[in-house]
Amino acid sequence: AQSVTQLDSQVPVFEEAPVELRCNYSSSVSVYLFWYVQYPNQGLQLLLKYLSGSTLVKGINGFEAEFNKSQTSFHLRKPSVHISDTAEYFCAVSPYYNQGGKLIFGQGTELSVKP
Amino acid sequence: EAGVTQFPSHSVIEKGQTVTLRCDPISGHDNLYWYRRVMGKEIKFLLHFVKESKQDESGMPNNRFLAERTGGTYSTLKVQPAELEDSGVYFCASSRIIATNEKLFFGSGTQLSVL
Repeated sequence: AQSVTQLDSQVPVFEEAPVELRCNYSSSVSVYLFWYVQYPNQGLQLLLKYLSGSTLVKGINGFEAEFNKSQTSFHLRKPSVHISDTAEYFCAVSPYYNQGGKLIFGQGTELSVKP
Repeated sequence: EAGVTQFPSHSVIEKGQTVTLRCDPISGHDNLYWYRRVMGKEIKFLLHFVKESKQDESGMPNNRFLAERTGGTYSTLKVQPAELEDSGVYFCASSRIIATNEKLFFGSGTQLSVL
């Protein structure tokens, strides 16, 4: 079985500051890793995903994440946040053997960017 | 291109009543998924349709939940009779192809409150 833990439920940060949202996972098999974002009153959108290859993955809106296999982590980072980045962020995994989009999500991290 | 649409956006019902949630996927997307988020917890997979067939319904909580996708277009999720623990946000997602690493397109969800 797989599980995902997002270590912070809420992250307040000032505009233009850097931010890191932490995600750890547990799995006995190889997985794909994802970050999704939900802006207020909208559906979840894919930010980025790690499938294979380079462990540093770049996504939309200036976000990036680094896959660390030894620490089973997939932390999300942005060097300088904007007010518009205020949203809830979800880390998710999917085992290689899955048929289709059956994702296992973490509990979510609410990012609040203050002026 | 229209996104994934869910109706209603909010529903408040009393324990024992019946509620039907609807999801219209993106046109041409054969894969349709239902997920649920109980307040404060992670988003959990409920089931997966490929066209009109149930590919995986391992996440359905019990037989009070019935999902259908007649004709392989829109889908409904009926809860009958509703219980207090059914409260939460129900998300629908769709994808064009069936692949573990395929991007999912999510609707904005239906907030269900059972009183």
